[in-house]
Amino acid sequence: KQEVTQIPAALSVPEGENLVLNCSFTDSAIYNLQWFRQDPGKGLTSLLLIQSSQREQTSGRLNASLDKSSGRSTLYIAASQPGDSATYLCAVWGTSGTYKYIFGTGTRLKVLA
Amino acid sequence: ETGVTQSPTHLIKTRGQQVTLRCSSQSGHNTVSWYQQALGQGPQFIFQYYREEENGRGNFPPRFSGLQFPNYSSELNVNALELDDSALYLCASSGAEQGFTEQFFGPGTRLTVL
Repeated sequence: KQEVTQIPAALSVPEGENLVLNCSFTDSAIYNLQWFRQDPGKGLTSLLLIQSSQREQTSGRLNASLDKSSGRSTLYIAASQPGDSATYLCAVWGTSGTYKYIFGTGTRLKVLA
Repeated sequence: ETGVTQSPTHLIKTRGQQVTLRCSSQSGHNTVSWYQQALGQGPQFIFQYYREEENGRGNFPPRFSGLQFPNYSSELNVNALELDDSALYLCASSGAEQGFTEQFFGPGTRLTVL
């Protein structure tokens, strides 16, 4: 049974810092891994999608890497800004069973001005 | 291209009541999934519909049921509401263009059960 874990659960950093969010999963048989952003009380905003054959994806100040064999992904945020404050969720799409995402519990990020 | 939409945005119900949440999938998508996100948790898969048939279910009791219509819109029905059903309910759609391996999420419906 696939399980997704995100560490840390919460993070508070001063503006301008580079930071890394971690995601680990127990079953390496995945189609893809996706990082989402969620603002309080809101829905999910897709940030980056990494296919199983890829090692990383970049969008602006965000870079996500995937090491499928070790069951790990990291989301790197460069030069953090107060507007980056949100909860970041990672989700994996498995290769067996019903087509669905399995989510971690998220990392709650606060960037201080 | 219209994204995934959900209605209503917010809903308040009393324990024991029944509720219906609605979702319109993204244009061209024929698969709809529903997720429940309790406060402080990641979304949990409830069930999925493909071509109007249930195509997989998570660990949710039968009082959670759904429908998908010929236009691929969907409903989530919850009977005999319990306090623990208070959550954000997310709908997601997918289609053949993405090989059914990526889902696009709606803004969610916030359900509060008193």
